[in-house]
Amino acid sequence: DAGVIQSPRHEVTEMGQEVTLRCKPISGHNSLFWYRQTMMRGLELLIYFNNNVPIDDSGMPEDRFSAKMPNASFSTLKIQPSEPRDSAVYFCASSFDRPGGNTIYFGEGSWLTVV
Amino acid sequence: AQSVTQLDSHVSVSEGTPVLLRCNYSSSYSPSLFWYVQHPNKGLQLLLKYTSAATLVKGINGFEAEFKKSETSFHLTKPSAHMSDAAEYFCVVITPNFGNEKLTFGTGTRLTIIP
Repeated sequence: DAGVIQSPRHEVTEMGQEVTLRCKPISGHNSLFWYRQTMMRGLELLIYFNNNVPIDDSGMPEDRFSAKMPNASFSTLKIQPSEPRDSAVYFCASSFDRPGGNTIYFGEGSWLTVV
Repeated sequence: AQSVTQLDSHVSVSEGTPVLLRCNYSSSYSPSLFWYVQHPNKGLQLLLKYTSAATLVKGINGFEAEFKKSETSFHLTKPSAHMSDAAEYFCVVITPNFGNEKLTFGTGTRLTIIP
């Protein structure tokens, strides 16, 4: 299996620009997570989808952030407009619900720098 | 409610000596517990997981962890450290919640290996 695939791996953009991060979960997984990692705050859950439906978006920082999952094999995280404080590593992860617990697999991350 | 505490933010050991990374958790129900490793500029890789089966769990790269319910601990160990073990390690707890499971990450322990 190819694992969780994220793109772009690295992005440098100017403040005010729109940023779109993409994620392809592992085939067959029905839960998808977006995380943000910074030195100051560590790993933060932004949003969690189950069967393509957003279950918990309480971690989304503000209205500039939005996430979609139009189908089971694709999700996007959009920041519009971007700000320097959005600079972070954004991880997508997926899992399959099953009794006895889930194993969550992470992508390699998208390194975002907003200048 | 669930939480996880990694007791050491930084651990240094000499190559060839044992590694102990400590993790305590709290959970309302029977949790699943994971250890993830993150090498510099990389994503998170699953080391091992506990999901209510054997309390001593063996993972990749010679790591293992023991689930101790009485102590609410899930410490990570390795008999002999290798230079390639230098990384950030995260303890993670997830509690069953009727399809609304969320991971809670510890703040991480940075492992340094002294040659």
